[in-house]
Amino acid sequence: AQSVTQLGSHVSVSEGALVLLRCNYSSSVPPYLFWYVQYPNQGLQLLLKYTTGATLVKGINGFEAEFKKSETSFHLTKPSAHMSDAAEYFCAVSEEEAGTASKLTFGTGTRLQVTL
Amino acid sequence: GAVVSQHPSRVICKSGTSVKIECRSLDFQATTMFWYRQFPKQSLMLMATSNEGSKATYEQGVEKDKFLINHASLTLSTLTVTSAHPEDSSFYICSARASSGGGAIDEQFFGPGTRLTVL
Repeated sequence: AQSVTQLGSHVSVSEGALVLLRCNYSSSVPPYLFWYVQYPNQGLQLLLKYTTGATLVKGINGFEAEFKKSETSFHLTKPSAHMSDAAEYFCAVSEEEAGTASKLTFGTGTRLQVTL
Repeated sequence: GAVVSQHPSRVICKSGTSVKIECRSLDFQATTMFWYRQFPKQSLMLMATSNEGSKATYEQGVEKDKFLINHASLTLSTLTVTSAHPEDSSFYICSARASSGGGAIDEQFFGPGTRLTVL
């Protein structure tokens, strides 16, 4: 069975500071990994994903994440936080291969607060 | 990009009534749609996987007779909450996975969600 752990339910950073949101996963097969962002009362928007290949993945809005198999981690980073980055962030893992219904297992989410 | 819509965005109903939520893929065909439930300040919990033209697959603990799912076409799936009770109040989100004809085969596109409040 697959699972995701997001350390820190709430992270606060100053505008312009580095953003680091942690995600560790458990999977019995090579995983597909995702980060989603959710703004209040909205659905989820895909930030980035890792399937195969390059372990450093760049996404939208300046975010990136690095897949580290040895650490079973997929932490999300952004060099400089912006006020508009304040939202809920979810890490997710999928074990199914491409071509099948990819069931996602989500972490509990991390709320990012950006202060002036 | 691929767009998924949900209707209604917000619904308030009386206890004991049934509520239908629609999930539509607007610019692509979705062979598979997923229904999630999200409680306040919590993560998304997968309720069921809906495949066009076949019965939905429900996750453990989800009552299939209470949460009726129909995926009648490649662009529409519906979730009906039957005999709703206050504990069914939640944020329901659908997602759609593109068929092999378009979109990333391993990406789900999420709808904006439906907030259900049962009085």
